[in-house]
This record gives sequence, structure tokens and C-alpha cells, in this order.
Amino acid sequence: EDQVTQSPEALRLQEGESSSLNCSYTVSGLRGLFWYRQDPGKGPEFLFTLYSAGEEKEKERLKATLTKKESFLHITAPKPEDSATYLCAVQVPRGTALIFGKGTTLSVSS
Amino acid sequence: KAGVTQTPRYLIKTRGQQVTLSCSPISGHRSVSWYQQTPGQGLQFLFEYFSETQRNKGNFPGRFSGRQFSNSRSEMNVSTLELGDSALYLCASSRENGQPQHFGDGTRLSIL
Repeated sequence: EDQVTQSPEALRLQEGESSSLNCSYTVSGLRGLFWYRQDPGKGPEFLFTLYSAGEEKEKERLKATLTKKESFLHITAPKPEDSATYLCAVQVPRGTALIFGKGTTLSVSS
Repeated sequence: KAGVTQTPRYLIKTRGQQVTLSCSPISGHRSVSWYQQTPGQGLQFLFEYFSETQRNKGNFPGRFSGRQFSNSRSEMNVSTLELGDSALYLCASSRENGQPQHFGDGTRLSIL
């Protein structure tokens, strides 16, 4: 069964303190791994798509990497505005639907 | 460019009633998916529609149904509402396979 597990569930950082979020997955034929950010009261906002092991994507203070079994979202020198829940998902074998992990809630304090 | 629009934003119903939620995808997107989000279970896939046909279905009871119209707009219906159906219902659209899904801000459904 396709499954996505994220850790930690919650992470508290000081402004400028870099860290990484983990997403491990089991899927029969990876068609795409997706990272989203979700703010309270809002729908998930798309960040990155990774398709094959070794691939990396960057956007501002965020960098996503992919191996055959897991993905990492590295946050460099975070700011309070990076506080949000970060969701990882894999695409089902047929179609565009996603299987999500339960997310990591990041809090960055100044 | 307009994003995914969901209506209504908030809804309060009582047990046993039924409800219909609406989703307008991004222009040009033909795939629409629906998800249920709760604090305990996270985001769970309900179903996906493409060109008016249901392409995938999640593990939810038959009380949950949906449809897609020729203009790609979609509706989902929940009949005989239960307390456990209280959740944020999210709609997402995408252009084609392998492309990211883009989400609306959801409909918050509360069952009394």
C-alpha cells in the first residue's frame, strides 16, 4: 500500500536556525513527490515537484531533495514568515490524485 | 490568473441532512480532485474527475459522491451527514498527469 510518513510532527526553530524536515515514502512506482505549504485557514500552496532520485529544487530559503526512499525539505536561516505546516505527497499510479503525509508544523520565532 | 474557487467557505448542517459543495478549477485544468482534511487523519483523498469521468476513488463510503461538468467545474455531495463528516473539504485542479495540483481554500463543514 502506498504510504507517506513525515517527521517530526512539530518543529520549533529560532530565526536563523537551519533544519530539515523528512518525508519517507513507499509507493509502487514513483510518478512524482510534491511539497506543499499550508497556512491556517488556507488550502495547501504548491512548492516543489521532484521526479527522480538525486533531483533537487530550490526556492528562496527552501531546498527539496529526493532519494529512492525519502525526501528532505531543508530550511536555511528561516524567518518567522516561514512558520506553516509543510506537507509531502506522492502521486497515485493512475491519474493526478495525491497521497499525503500528516505534515510537519514549523514554528519560527524571532 | 484566477485560482481554484470553492463555495461556500463555511457551512453548518445537522446530522442526517445532505450537502453539496462546489469547485471551479483553474482555467484550462481538466482534472479535479477532492480531499477531506481533519486534525486526526490529515488530508485524505476522496475522488478525482477528468473530462467528466471519475478516474480514481479513495476509501470513503458511498454517501460521498461527486460529479464534473463539461466546463470542468465539479461538485461533491455528502448524504445522511454524520458528526464525523465535520472537516475542511478541499478541491484541487491540475492540467494533466505528473503536474502539480493547485488547491482552493476549502469549505469548512460543521455538523451539529
